[in-house]
Amino acid sequence: AQSVTQLGSHVSVSEGALVLLRCNYSSSVPPYLFWYVQYPNQGLQLLLKYTSAATLVKGINGFEAEFKKSETSFHLTKPSAHMSDAAEYFCAVSGVGRRALTFGSGTRLQVQP
Amino acid sequence: NAGVTQTPKFRILKIGQSMTLQCAQDMNHNYMYWYRQDPGMGLKLIYYSVGAGITDKGEVPNGYNVSRSTTEDFPLRLELAAPSQTSVYFCASSYSEAGGYNEQFFGPGTRLTVL
Repeated sequence: AQSVTQLGSHVSVSEGALVLLRCNYSSSVPPYLFWYVQYPNQGLQLLLKYTSAATLVKGINGFEAEFKKSETSFHLTKPSAHMSDAAEYFCAVSGVGRRALTFGSGTRLQVQP
Repeated sequence: NAGVTQTPKFRILKIGQSMTLQCAQDMNHNYMYWYRQDPGMGLKLIYYSVGAGITDKGEVPNGYNVSRSTTEDFPLRLELAAPSQTSVYFCASSYSEAGGYNEQFFGPGTRLTVL
């Protein structure tokens, strides 16, 4: 069985501040982990993915995430928030032999000027 | 490549009506998926397909049916619409190989309201 928990349904930061979105997972098989972003009235777009290579993964738009097996975490960070980062972010887990993604409930990021 | 396309973008149905949500992909992906997204929730898997002629249920299949007659198309059918089916529906596709990972590509979604 697999599950994803995203702590904080809403996160608000000031422009230029650090962005930290939290994701914890559980998986009975070695996981593949993903962060997707959803802008208003659009579909989901892949930000980055972890597939058992480097534990620090860099994605698009300056985002990165670190896989920590001991903490079962895959938190998303960005050093300096831009107004254009305002969106909903979803963490998802899959695994070898799994045929679909299990999504967290999402975190809505607000960026204040 | 158009990627994953979905039609219609919006639809309002009356209780008991039926409709088909269309999904097509031009990336020659073998796997296709249907998800629904309710407000404040993540995506829940309705049905998926691992290739033409092969489909299987996800977490929330009740009230829906699917078929996969070609690699490209994966329509979702609602037979007797109910208010509980008001949601945003996303189709996705991926190319999966043995030992590989499921990076999924999503369509823009269909917003369905059942009144």
